[in-house]
Amino acid sequence: KQEVTQIPAALSVPEGENLVLNCSFTDSAIYNLQWFRQDPGKGLTSLLLIQSSQREQTSGRLNASLDKSSGRSTLYIAASQPGDSATYLCAVKNNDMRFGAGTRLTVKP
Amino acid sequence: EAQVTQNPRYLITVTGKKLTVTCSQNMNHEYMSWYRQDPGLGLRQIYYSMNVEVTDKGDVPEGYKVSRKEKRNFPLILESPSPNQTSLYFCASSEQGRTLHFGNGTRLTVT
Repeated sequence: KQEVTQIPAALSVPEGENLVLNCSFTDSAIYNLQWFRQDPGKGLTSLLLIQSSQREQTSGRLNASLDKSSGRSTLYIAASQPGDSATYLCAVKNNDMRFGAGTRLTVKP
Repeated sequence: EAQVTQNPRYLITVTGKKLTVTCSQNMNHEYMSWYRQDPGLGLRQIYYSMNVEVTDKGDVPEGYKVSRKEKRNFPLILESPSPNQTSLYFCASSEQGRTLHFGNGTRLTVT
């Protein structure tokens, strides 16, 4: 059974700092991995999707990497802003979809 | 506008009273799924559907039913709700293997 773990559970940084969020999974036979953002009381917004054959994806200040063999992904956020404050979740897709518990990020002005 | 629409947004009901939460998408996606989100447990998949008339159990299917008679709709049915089904529910859809799009959620309270 696939298990997805995200570390740290919470992170607080000053504005402007670069940061890395971590996601690990136990079964490397995945179709893809996605990173999502969730604001309080809201749905999830997809940030980046990495197919199993890819190593990384970039969108603006965000860069996600995937190392299937080690069962790890990282989400790098450059030059963080207060508007980046949210919970970030990673999810891996086999036939079903499994989510990590998320990292709650606070970026202080 | 491309979207996944869930209804209702909020629902309070009593134990044992059958209810249905609707989910509709306008993107012609083949894949649809339901999740529940609980504090400390994160998002857990209830059921998913790869296409019309094709559904499969996720991680926590007990107490739920789904149907996929049309491509755009994927209702979640609670035949006899219980208090442990109090949760925030999300529907999502995607093309196969592509970005998952979520609805805004349904907050269900069962008393």
